[in-house]
Amino acid sequence: NAGVTQTPKFQVLKTGQSMTLQCAQDMNHNSMYWYRQDPGMGLRLIYYSASEGTTDKGEVPNGYNVSRLNKREFSLRLESAAPSQTSVYFCASRVTDNSPLHFGNGTRLTVT
Amino acid sequence: KQEVTQIPAALSVPEGENLVLNCSFTDSAIYNLQWFRQDPGKGLTSLLLIQSSQREQTSGRLNASLDKSSGRSTLYIAASQPGDSATYLCAVSPYDYKLSFGAGTTVTVRA
Repeated sequence: NAGVTQTPKFQVLKTGQSMTLQCAQDMNHNSMYWYRQDPGMGLRLIYYSASEGTTDKGEVPNGYNVSRLNKREFSLRLESAAPSQTSVYFCASRVTDNSPLHFGNGTRLTVT
Repeated sequence: KQEVTQIPAALSVPEGENLVLNCSFTDSAIYNLQWFRQDPGKGLTSLLLIQSSQREQTSGRLNASLDKSSGRSTLYIAASQPGDSATYLCAVSPYDYKLSFGAGTTVTVRA
């Protein structure tokens, strides 16, 4: 059982480049999340998806876009990367808002 | 806005000692509270989830209590082992999808 799988694990971008972070879960979960984790800032929600085809902005959505094309996959896109987006990005999922949240192992992104 | 605080930020104990980790939150209107473990370079692993109607939840050597009225939760880890060394985070969930995370307590268990 793979759980929540994120790709890539590491990425280095130059300012202005774009990229998409991929996330897939095989637990038939309805809700999916994208967080970023920064030292001293804790975990902050970027975007949330309650179900296929629906997305909501979280606390820090600026500079990001998301896509929930099917129940399994939830991708995060940086259109024009900035050094402030250097962070560790986590995808998470759960069945309902009252069930445990499952996390992937993260993508470590550096923007130079 | 919900504020979640975990004190202390770091803790070091000898093997075999019981661990007591604290989590406090400012808004008692919560749906549930979760405790997570994070190992270096890894994602978060859910340890326990306590519903707002529950007072405690147990799993093996772990026990978590919840006092909504005072805005507090405590995670107890009995008979600590070096393998318990990690960062422990709590997160509270209101009656929607948003969770508010604490900054975590980093635990070192000395052999």
